[in-house]
Amino acid sequence: DTGVSQNPRHKITKRGQNVTFRCDPISEHNRLYWYRQTLGQGPEFLTYFQNEAQLEKSRLLSDRFSAERPKGSFSTLEIQRTEQGDSAMYLCASSLDPTGAGYGYTFGSGTRLTVV
Amino acid sequence: QQQVKQSPQSLIVQKGGISIINCAYENTAFDYFPWYQQFPGKGPALLIAIRPDVSEKKEGRFTISFNKSAKQFSLHIMDSQPGDSATYFCAASSKAAGNKLTFGGGTRVLVKP
Repeated sequence: DTGVSQNPRHKITKRGQNVTFRCDPISEHNRLYWYRQTLGQGPEFLTYFQNEAQLEKSRLLSDRFSAERPKGSFSTLEIQRTEQGDSAMYLCASSLDPTGAGYGYTFGSGTRLTVV
Repeated sequence: QQQVKQSPQSLIVQKGGISIINCAYENTAFDYFPWYQQFPGKGPALLIAIRPDVSEKKEGRFTISFNKSAKQFSLHIMDSQPGDSATYFCAASSKAAGNKLTFGGGTRVLVKP
């Protein structure tokens, strides 16, 4: 088990292009979360999945953003028609469904997106 | 609406000193309060966490103090080391709301040797 893996680590794209990021969670974790972090700020929640079901999307997630988690394993986050304001670190985290007494997220190292 | 407010934004402490970071929250439904440590280019890593049924939790050099009535919690880093230089985030979540984390704005800590 190598933790949560995110690819690519860095992405530079031109405004208006589409980009897709991938997250591979810890294998036994059934919950997967996406967050966005801009420079000097704390991460902000975007969306989360339990297995393959997308249970919630933040209002931050405009129609240009879409996330999937086919078969409840890896997840992809796609941004269409990128804008300069989309430049940020996109973080993925996974956890066990917290029905027990304790739990914790494991975050990946993120994908840094720069839109030029 | 910023639901978790963190202070100070930055902190300089001498090696061996104590670093104290404070957070205040608004949502009384929060039931889990973790602290994360983040190094440049890395994702946040869970440091220590507390639930509202206890007032203090200690793990090694790290202690969380929790005041439910004041809706405040703080992180104390004892015997600060240069390797502790990082950005620290408090966060809060609610099981009823899917355990999505609401983060504070972060505190950049620099420990001088």
